[in-house]
Amino acid sequence: QVQLVESGGGVVQPGGSLRLSCAASGFTFSSYGMHWVRQAPGKGLEWVAFIRYDGSNKYYADSVKGRFTISRDNSKNTLYLQMNSLRAEDTAVYYCAKGLEPVPAAMPFDYWGQGTLVTVSS
Amino acid sequence: AIQLTQSPSSLSASVGDRVTITCRASQGISSALAWYQQKPGKAPKLLIYDASSLESGVPSRFSGSGSGTDFTLTISSLQPEDFATYYCQQFNSYALTFGGGTKVEIK
Repeated sequence: QVQLVESGGGVVQPGGSLRLSCAASGFTFSSYGMHWVRQAPGKGLEWVAFIRYDGSNKYYADSVKGRFTISRDNSKNTLYLQMNSLRAEDTAVYYCAKGLEPVPAAMPFDYWGQGTLVTVSS
Repeated sequence: AIQLTQSPSSLSASVGDRVTITCRASQGISSALAWYQQKPGKAPKLLIYDASSLESGVPSRFSGSGSGTDFTLTISSLQPEDFATYYCQQFNSYALTFGGGTKVEIK
């Protein structure tokens, strides 16, 4: 069965960095686009970043562009999110999510991880 | 970025009621719209994709319609397990966006 397990969350000071990981299993990871989505406490969902199946193209929300980097290691079935220059408004639960179909285009998300909490605070 | 406006932001309904949630896009997105259900403390669950396609395993009381800029999620007969927050999402462009959510509460 498909499993996505995030790790790497925690408390970090403003201006600091953090790297999130998402370990995938139960499907052919190298065939699917993958996403990061976040949810601030008590707020709605915000798409963060998308990476194509082969890592050839990456897309970001304006709110994180230039500060966050999405990447993947298909040999390790793992997705990453490198977060730099963190701000208080980046505080959220971060989810990784799998694209519905193995196509290059962005697709809706049929599987999500359980989420990892990132808190940016001094 | 394409903006999605959901309405209402919240509603109260009883078990057995028919519930309709709307989602309006700031520009045409063809049928590139999905609907998710989220319960407190849980990850969202995909209900509908391509505006009207029911995800595998989702009860048939859920249905979606629309194209272009106006979309609807309908729950034909609300069940106790359907009390949750619902989000629309567009995937017409690579800058994906979500609507603000609709919280469905028990009347």
